[in-house]
Amino acid sequence: DAGVTQSPTHLIKTRGQHVTLRCSPISGHKSVSWYQQVLGQGPQFIFQYYEKEERGRGNFPDRFSARQFPNYSSELNVNALLLGDSALYLCASSAGLSQETQYFGPGTRLLVL
Amino acid sequence: GQNIDQPTEMTATEGAIVQINCTYQTSGFNGLFWYQQHAGEAPTFLSYNVLDGLEEKGRFSSFLSRSKGYSYLLLKELQMKDSASYLCAVRDASGGSYIPTFGRGTSLIVHP
Repeated sequence: DAGVTQSPTHLIKTRGQHVTLRCSPISGHKSVSWYQQVLGQGPQFIFQYYEKEERGRGNFPDRFSARQFPNYSSELNVNALLLGDSALYLCASSAGLSQETQYFGPGTRLLVL
Repeated sequence: GQNIDQPTEMTATEGAIVQINCTYQTSGFNGLFWYQQHAGEAPTFLSYNVLDGLEEKGRFSSFLSRSKGYSYLLLKELQMKDSASYLCAVRDASGGSYIPTFGRGTSLIVHP
């Protein structure tokens, strides 16, 4: 069975640009969460989606947005990129909302110049 | 909010036992997770505790005391491949969301 997949694996952008990151959850999983991880820190929660509805939002500015599609895949959008947005963006899927076991994708490494 | 504290770095010898501690403060505790993360890779799930006590899974065990806001991850028979960052995450269910907050991680270095 395929695990969580994310695309692209790496991305280089310049300040002010926007970026769209994609995630496909494990088949049958309906919950997708997005995290930002900067070097030396633990993952920081950005969004959780379940059954195509936003169920949780972390302490991130409105430049960050996300959505979940009918097939449960998800996109994370970041507008007006800042240098500080450079990080590893992780997607995690779980079967249900309460996330007893959350499976992470390989991440997208974003570099903002 | 939540406050999660774990040591920044630990070193141990191959074959030995190491205990990584995690303390937390949260208003709506709904479970504690441990993840392993090798450099440049995504976190992988190790354990989940929601009730007090010890959960054993092979060489890895995790303990939880909700009254003390304390957990530890115990790694036995250490192997070189256990060198990684170990993340403690606490889930808060207040407000109807199930959002885990991660600590900064403990970098474990296993020496021959």
